[in-house]
Amino acid sequence: QSVLTQPPSVSAAPGQKVTISCSGSSSNIGNNYVSWYQQLPGTAPKLLIYDNNKRPSGIPDRFSGSKSGTSATLGITGLQTGDEADYYCGTWDNSLSAGVVFGGGTKVTVL
Amino acid sequence: EVQLVESGGGLVQPGRSLRLSCAASGFTFDDYAMHWVRQAPGKGLEWVSGISWKSGDTGYADSVKGRFTISRDNAKNSLYLQMNSLRAEDTALYYCAKAWDSSSFLRYHGMDVWGQGTTVTVSS
Repeated sequence: QSVLTQPPSVSAAPGQKVTISCSGSSSNIGNNYVSWYQQLPGTAPKLLIYDNNKRPSGIPDRFSGSKSGTSATLGITGLQTGDEADYYCGTWDNSLSAGVVFGGGTKVTVL
Repeated sequence: EVQLVESGGGLVQPGRSLRLSCAASGFTFDDYAMHWVRQAPGKGLEWVSGISWKSGDTGYADSVKGRFTISRDNAKNSLYLQMNSLRAEDTALYYCAKAWDSSSFLRYHGMDVWGQGTTVTVSS
């Protein structure tokens, strides 16, 4: 059971938009930065979003991040077949077992 | 080219030990905190451990605390994970990852460089 809760899967047609939610608590998302990762099949995770809503160099602006309270959201617009992947949210958790926590991952399927 | 290359994985019996290494290149290694993250077959990401730039701060997931030890050698641009008392549930692909824009693993902003991973299988 992951500390952060994500939907197992989302899907949409090419060109459409999807959003992926990441729900946590005040000990993690509520008081820390959220990052998002894309993991294509058979590859290592890739940083898409850091500090809630910032994109590293080279990440297209089709990917966006936001945070409100104890939840965060990743948005992908103009969906492409190459976006089919698993997506994970991550943040720091200030609880007794302090450390980085990840969501369980969301599989994005392009219909 | 910024790169992380893990090594040291393999098949090991329960209760035995293994030491993973991660060789860094293309960036100033001792400026950044580093992490180990694992992924069990067909499962999601699990943070294992983190270490700050001068090794002063280290942290561990509860699942490995007391059994695993993270360390780094800045002179050799290398990160290590000593894994003792291995269990079947430690079977996973182990990634090393560079902290984004932080010298302390306690200040998390993300992980921007990942290795390809090294596989650890714990089985008799």
